[in-house]
Formats: sequence, structure tokens, C-alpha cells
Amino acid sequence: KAGVTQTPRYLIKTRGQQVTLSCSPISGHRSVSWYQQTPGQGLQFLFEYFSETQRNKGNFPGRFSGRQFSNSRSEMNVSTLELGDSALYLCASSLANYNEQFFGPGTRLTVL
Amino acid sequence: GENVEQHPSTLSVQEGDSAVIKCTYSDSASNYFPWYKQELGKGPQLIIDIRSNVGEKKDQRIAVTLNKTAKHFSLHITETQPEDSAVYFCAATPLGGGGNKLTFGTGTQLKVEL
Repeated sequence: KAGVTQTPRYLIKTRGQQVTLSCSPISGHRSVSWYQQTPGQGLQFLFEYFSETQRNKGNFPGRFSGRQFSNSRSEMNVSTLELGDSALYLCASSLANYNEQFFGPGTRLTVL
Repeated sequence: GENVEQHPSTLSVQEGDSAVIKCTYSDSASNYFPWYKQELGKGPQLIIDIRSNVGEKKDQRIAVTLNKTAKHFSLHITETQPEDSAVYFCAATPLGGGGNKLTFGTGTQLKVEL
């Protein structure tokens, strides 16, 4: 069974731009969660989508948004990028009623 | 909300020795506690998890123990090998309740020396 895939793997943007990251969950998984990983703040929960609806949200500004499609694939968007948004963005998928979350390799975003 | 503390931040052991990483959590509603291993350039990999109705769980060289009264749980790795070198994260979340939201500890850099 294929794992969680994320594209692109690396991104370089400049301040003020926006970016869209993509995540394809494990086949059959309906929940997709996004996390931000930085050396200073560690792993922090951004939001979770289940059946195209945002089910949970972390403490991030409104510049961070996401969505989920009918095939469970998910995208997250960051608008008006700031230097502090440089991070590894991780996507994790899980089955509907279980909490075992399986992570993808992440997208490394660098904001210059 | 939930807060998870993890110790130590770095751990160096000799090959064949045991390694123990400890975590404490604050939210008594948390009842699912996974452990992840993250190697350089990769996403976290689920290595073992435990639910609150169980006090201990083993999988070959890896074991996790949970003390709900004290709100702490630990990862035990026996007979460590060089390939065990990585960053390990503990996490906690309420199981069910309509969502998946893991709160992570700050990580432990484990180095297994030859």
C-alpha cells in the first residue's frame, strides 16, 4: 500500500507571495491533518480535514488555510508569506475513527 | 489545551544498551499516546502507540509504558543498534471525540554509538 505523498518536496518563495502544498493520503484514509515543524517550535498542529470538512484547527493565523477534495486529497495554502513561515510542512492521514496517523515526507518551504 | 513535556532532549548510549525516553502530559482527557521516529530528511514514522486502557505494550525491542495516574508515559528501546539513531517524539491526544489533533513533545535526539 502506498504511503502518504506530498508535493512538492521543496519550495523557495519570497516574502509576500503565497504557496499551495498538496497531500495525497493513504488509500482509504479519510482524515488528513497538517503540521508545521520548525527547530524553535517543534511539531505544531495546523488543521485537520475529514470528508471535505475542517474538523479541528490549531492556533495559526488566518493566512494558513486548507481544503480537502472528494477523493480525500488535501491542499494547504499560506498567503502573504513571512520569513517565519519557513518550515517543514507535514501531512498525516488516518482512517475515519482511528487516531493512528501516518506521515508523509513533508514539504520543505523556505521563505526569502 | 494539552501540553506534552519530553526528556531528555539528547541521549547517547552504547550499542547494545537500553534507552529510555520519558514524557508527561497535562490533559486528563488524553487517552492515546503514539511514539514517532524521525530520521534526517524524512517524515515522522509511527513506531508504537498505547491507549489508556493498557499499561504496557511491547513490539520486539520497543516497549511503551503508561501511568495514567501520574500522567506520564515512557519509551524503552532495548539492545540498541546504530540504526536506532534518530529523533524520537512522543505525542498525546484524546481518542475519538471527533478529531485527530496530536500534541507533540519537543523530541529526543538519540545517538547510538559503536
